[in-house]
Amino acid sequence: SAVISQKPSRDICQRGTSLTIQCQVDSQVTMMFWYRQQPGQSLTLIATANQGSEATYESGFVIDKFPISRPNLTFSTLTVSNMSPEDSSIYLCSALTGDLFFGPGTRLTVL
Amino acid sequence: SQQGEEDPQALSIQEGENATMNCSYKTSINNLQWYRQNSGRGLVHLILIRSNEREKHSGRLRVTLDTSKKSSSLLITASRAADTASYFCATEPANDYKLSFGAGTTVTVRA
Repeated sequence: SAVISQKPSRDICQRGTSLTIQCQVDSQVTMMFWYRQQPGQSLTLIATANQGSEATYESGFVIDKFPISRPNLTFSTLTVSNMSPEDSSIYLCSALTGDLFFGPGTRLTVL
Repeated sequence: SQQGEEDPQALSIQEGENATMNCSYKTSINNLQWYRQNSGRGLVHLILIRSNEREKHSGRLRVTLDTSKKSSSLLITASRAADTASYFCATEPANDYKLSFGAGTTVTVRA
């Protein structure tokens, strides 16, 4: 199993600013993912965070908008850049270690 | 992309009753997983059923899988107020490791 923490747990941001979300796993994992959950919706995969190389983005998501870092096997960050109200969502980090474990999420509100 | 379709969207039951929700999917899978999410928080992995399994139990949870119909069901027996949450199915495609999540079923257990 894995215990995943995220910071911040929630934030309210102004349009046009950027927010970086941190994800920490309590053990080394090969695969980490970032998901978005828009209000009342299911989870959508944003990207796979690859250690030592660029993230792999899903259709509809680009690096300029959602830059991701993965400096080691226990840590990743997701930045939501140049935010607009449409970016208001819960952002969830997950790690694959046997099963897929999720962090508690970051609730982002963009005004 | 979102592969799973869940029904019902919402379910309200009395404490002690059983809750059943269904998930249908479109492509061949390696496994199907069920997750619980409380109040917009992170997801908790409940149970995984592999494509060659037909039924699985975990405590008060019973999951079935019918690969010929591409459908699964989650049964929660003797429900409790603490079971109030959203429940998501997620499929791991046969040719990929990335999970696709369904839209979720919101379950409310009335005391």
